[in-house]
Amino acid sequence: GAVVSQHPSWVICKSGTSVKIECRSLDFQATTMFWYRQFPKQSLMLMATSNEGSKATYEQGVEKDKFLINHASLTLSTLTVTSAHPEDSSFYICSARDSRASEGYYEQYFGPGTRLTVT
Amino acid sequence: KQEVTQIPAALSVPEGENLVLNCSFTDSAIYNLQWFRQDPGKGLTSLLLIQSSQREQTSGRLNASLDKSSGRSTLYIAASQPGDSATYLCAVRSHDMRFGAGTRLTVKP
Repeated sequence: GAVVSQHPSWVICKSGTSVKIECRSLDFQATTMFWYRQFPKQSLMLMATSNEGSKATYEQGVEKDKFLINHASLTLSTLTVTSAHPEDSSFYICSARDSRASEGYYEQYFGPGTRLTVT
Repeated sequence: KQEVTQIPAALSVPEGENLVLNCSFTDSAIYNLQWFRQDPGKGLTSLLLIQSSQREQTSGRLNASLDKSSGRSTLYIAASQPGDSATYLCAVRSHDMRFGAGTRLTVKP
């Protein structure tokens, strides 16, 4: 089956610093990748959708200058949390769409998540 | 905007019981619906994916149904086991994938 990896699996950083999270599709090419955020005991909220080679589309209320997304290749997307603050502490999960899949009816494959703690 | 609701929010049952988790969505124009399992502090495990043209999918003790016109799906778990304890998430794809808040299931030995 399709595998999506994330790195790191957990990270602790100091307030004001930036942290980068990588999302890779291991055995397929991903035209589109998605970034979600999950706060404790809450569900996943879509942050942004990224398409390879173009700018990401951010959901309402998500600051694009704070959460920088780069989708430079068909197997890698990165999320950089800039000037992190304690309220950014969350579980970040990426997801990928196989580029060969039918429009709309595709299955999204999810990474294992990255737990970010900002102190 | 698609809204996904899951009922109940939490459920506790004794081992061996059959149970049903419910998911409803507001916009019936969907491509597919997916059920996931999430263990505490972990990522998502895909359980069942139902395309909009399908009415149900089965995998082992799990059966998921979809009634697109009424905006409802159910996940049926037969002969529940303590290892089934987890949060179950329903997600619907229309323009993008939207998640419900989940049902936290506890199966007591």
